[in-house]
Amino acid sequence: AQSVTQPDIHITVSEGASLELRCNYSYGATPYLFWYVQSPGQGLQLLLKYFSGDTLVQGIKGFEAEFKRSQSSFNLRKPSVHWSDAAEYFCAVGHGGNKLVFGAGTILRVKS
Amino acid sequence: EAGVTQSPTHLIKTRGQQATLRCSPISGHTSVYWYQQALGLGLQFLLWYDEGEERNRGNFPPRFSGRQFPNYSSELNVNALELEDSALYLCASANQPGLAFPGELFFGEGSRLTVL
Repeated sequence: AQSVTQPDIHITVSEGASLELRCNYSYGATPYLFWYVQSPGQGLQLLLKYFSGDTLVQGIKGFEAEFKRSQSSFNLRKPSVHWSDAAEYFCAVGHGGNKLVFGAGTILRVKS
Repeated sequence: EAGVTQSPTHLIKTRGQQATLRCSPISGHTSVYWYQQALGLGLQFLLWYDEGEERNRGNFPPRFSGRQFPNYSSELNVNALELEDSALYLCASANQPGLAFPGELFFGEGSRLTVL
């Protein structure tokens, strides 16, 4: 069965510093990969997605992610974090069964 | 354009009672998904409805059930509530012609169920 691992439960970065959130997946075929963000008290918003093609994907709010098949990873990056980026981030894998399987999430804290 | 709307925002029940949660998808979307987000457990897939039919179900007991109405809105029912059912229940919608993988789910803000 497919699974998604986000090894970091919490991450704290300084405002203006770079960010990388890790995501590893387990899936037999080429996966559909997603990153969602959830601000407190709100639903999930899609940041970016990868289906095929260029393995470096650009998303909203200055985020990007890189698909590395050899490492089964889809890490999320941002070159300079803003205080408003503090939220919980979820990596997800989609497949033909038409459901998304989510990781446990990484809570990002931004310190000034 | 209105997004996915869920009601109620908060719901408090006691053990053994029943809870009903509602979801209105984005106009034009025929698929509705339900997820449970319990503290420390991430998002767990519950149910997927499309065109009024249940298409897929997660690993939850039968007391979790739902339906989709002709206008594509959906209802999630949880019977015989247990303390561990306390969670944020998220609804998402998508447009899936031919039941193809949707590519993106649009989420509502959730209904927080507390079971005492």
